[in-house]
Amino acid sequence: DTGVSQDPRHKITKRGQNVTFRCDPISEHNRLYWYRQTLGQGPEFLTYFQNEAQLEKSRLLSDRFSAERPKGSFSTLEIQRTEQGDSAMYLCASSKGRTEAYEQYFGPGTRLTVT
Amino acid sequence: AQSVAQPEDQVNVAEGNPLTVKCTYSVSGNPYLFWYVQYPNRGLQFLLKYITGDNLVKGSYGFEAEFNKSQTSFHLKKPSALVSDSALYFCAVRDDTNAGKSTFGDGTTLTVKP
Repeated sequence: DTGVSQDPRHKITKRGQNVTFRCDPISEHNRLYWYRQTLGQGPEFLTYFQNEAQLEKSRLLSDRFSAERPKGSFSTLEIQRTEQGDSAMYLCASSKGRTEAYEQYFGPGTRLTVT
Repeated sequence: AQSVAQPEDQVNVAEGNPLTVKCTYSVSGNPYLFWYVQYPNRGLQFLLKYITGDNLVKGSYGFEAEFNKSQTSFHLKKPSALVSDSALYFCAVRDDTNAGKSTFGDGTTLTVKP
């Protein structure tokens, strides 16, 4: 399968701990996106990369969140000092091309539970 | 700012009947519009998109959508529903002046009954 993969699929952590998620996009895709989805809502944009450059970050995104995409390949999303409100599904998506006309391909998501 | 509204949380139709899932949007520039479907325990899958050109676009699994600029709508349609179409459907919009960011609606659950 050459789709978008995410690891881990599930993460349970205690409040105050740091967590890191990984996303491997489709290999020829230039753009990579991170979203957060809670029950009953659509995906909420967090940030996106064009190759290794992080081009936009949601104003709603706390300073506790950071994302990287070294060498324009896989990406990591780190949440520091987790809070119960961070519990959600974290989705990664990728798309080819340098314009907004291309559709996104989504991974299965990482479900985070903060206790 | 850009936004998407899916006014119906749930749509129920009988198998073989036509279905419509509604979506309206708001953007500053020209819209790029997308429909995605999410099956249980599966990731979101792309169905179809409107970028420019013909207002009626066709996509996967027999779905189509009509772009209406005056009504700022992009409703998803299918002439004859299948039980297997039952899933969660999301409409999304991008603004050609707001590079990269997509805004999604809150989704509509479609249930097709035999």
